[in-house]
Amino acid sequence: ILNVEQSPQSLHVQEGDSTNFTCSFPSSNFYALHWYRWETAKSPEALFVMTLNGDEKKKGRISATLNTKEGYSYLYIKGSQPEDSATYLCAFINNAGNMLTFGGGTRLMVKP
Amino acid sequence: EAGVAQSPRYKIIEKRQSVAFWCNPISGHATLYWYQQILGQGPKLLIQFQNNGVVDDSQLPKDRFSAERLKGVDSTLKIQPAKLEDSAVYLCASSSYQGPDTEAFFGQGTRLTVV
Repeated sequence: ILNVEQSPQSLHVQEGDSTNFTCSFPSSNFYALHWYRWETAKSPEALFVMTLNGDEKKKGRISATLNTKEGYSYLYIKGSQPEDSATYLCAFINNAGNMLTFGGGTRLMVKP
Repeated sequence: EAGVAQSPRYKIIEKRQSVAFWCNPISGHATLYWYQQILGQGPKLLIQFQNNGVVDDSQLPKDRFSAERLKGVDSTLKIQPAKLEDSAVYLCASSSYQGPDTEAFFGQGTRLTVV
């Protein structure tokens, strides 16, 4: 069983604050890393899919970086808004197949 | 395109009862996953299908859980008999899997409460 860890487990920020979370994964046999956002009562939806060391991806105020050699990815949210409140999940795929192994998630709450 | 459909959305049963969940993946998606998400934890893969064959079921408690994907489309996940610790959200996801950068699409999940 692969070990994928996320920190922090939960985070409370004020509207307008910028924040970031970490996803740690095995650095060997890396294939891909996915980031998902899961809002309450909705389906998890993909934010980014990253495959290359040094990758940086951006979608609006959210961006992510990837370091496959040391086994971590950062997700950044600039100027947090209440609608960013959700659980952010990372999922690792190793080169043995297409199985997504999820971390425990970071629960973000943005106060107006 | 239509998303991944799951039913029911919520289910409350007593321990030792049986329950079944249904998933209809996105049309054409060969890969189907069932995940169990216990409160405060990340989703745990229970079983992964490729068409109607099982790719991985190493974390499926086979003494009480079973899953099938007849004809490589819809899938059902059954728990028989249920235990209190089975209370969780059961998520179904599907993917066309054309490479490591292929995202998975999730249903809204079934929230199971075992009392």
